[in-house]
Amino acid sequence: AQSVTQLGSHVSVSEGALVLLRCNYSSSVPPYLFWYVQYPNQGLQLLLKYTSAATLVKGINGFEAEFKKSETSFHLTKPSAHMSDAAEYFCAVSESTGNQFYFGTGTSLTVIP
Amino acid sequence: GAGVSQSPRYKVTKRGQDVALRCDPISGHVSLYWYRQALGQGPEFLTYFNYEAQQDKSGLPNDRFSAERPEGSISTLTIQRTEQRDSAMYRCASSLPDLETQYFGPGTRLLVL
Repeated sequence: AQSVTQLGSHVSVSEGALVLLRCNYSSSVPPYLFWYVQYPNQGLQLLLKYTSAATLVKGINGFEAEFKKSETSFHLTKPSAHMSDAAEYFCAVSESTGNQFYFGTGTSLTVIP
Repeated sequence: GAGVSQSPRYKVTKRGQDVALRCDPISGHVSLYWYRQALGQGPEFLTYFNYEAQQDKSGLPNDRFSAERPEGSISTLTIQRTEQRDSAMYRCASSLPDLETQYFGPGTRLLVL
């Protein structure tokens, strides 16, 4: 069975500070991993994905994530937070193409001016 | 269309009424997924289709929930005899065949009074 754990349901950072959102997964097979962002009153937007190529994945808006198999982690980072980064972030895992996603419970990011 | 669309965006209904939620996937996307997202939680899988065939309905919570995609494009999720616990955001996603990324619509927020 697959599952995703996002540590910290709420994270606050100062504008310009490092953003680190944590995601750990469990999967019986090499997974596909995703980060989605949800802005208020909008749908889920894909930030980045890992699909067994490079372990360091770069996404939109300056975000990146590193797949660490030994730690079963896929943490999301951004060197310098911007006010516009305030949103809900979801980590998801999938076993293969055409399979359902398993989502974490989400992390709400607040950026303090 | 440019993205996945869902209608209605908001639905308020009385307990015991039936509701139908519609999803129009991205043109050419073979796979279509339905998820339900409770407040403060990540999306949870309900069911998915490849073309018109329902491949997996293991996430449907009970027999009041059903989904169809008769022509392999637009899909309808129907909830019969709604209950207050059905209140949630219902999300639809679509994807291309053999590709892992799912693209999400804006969701339908259902409130059962």
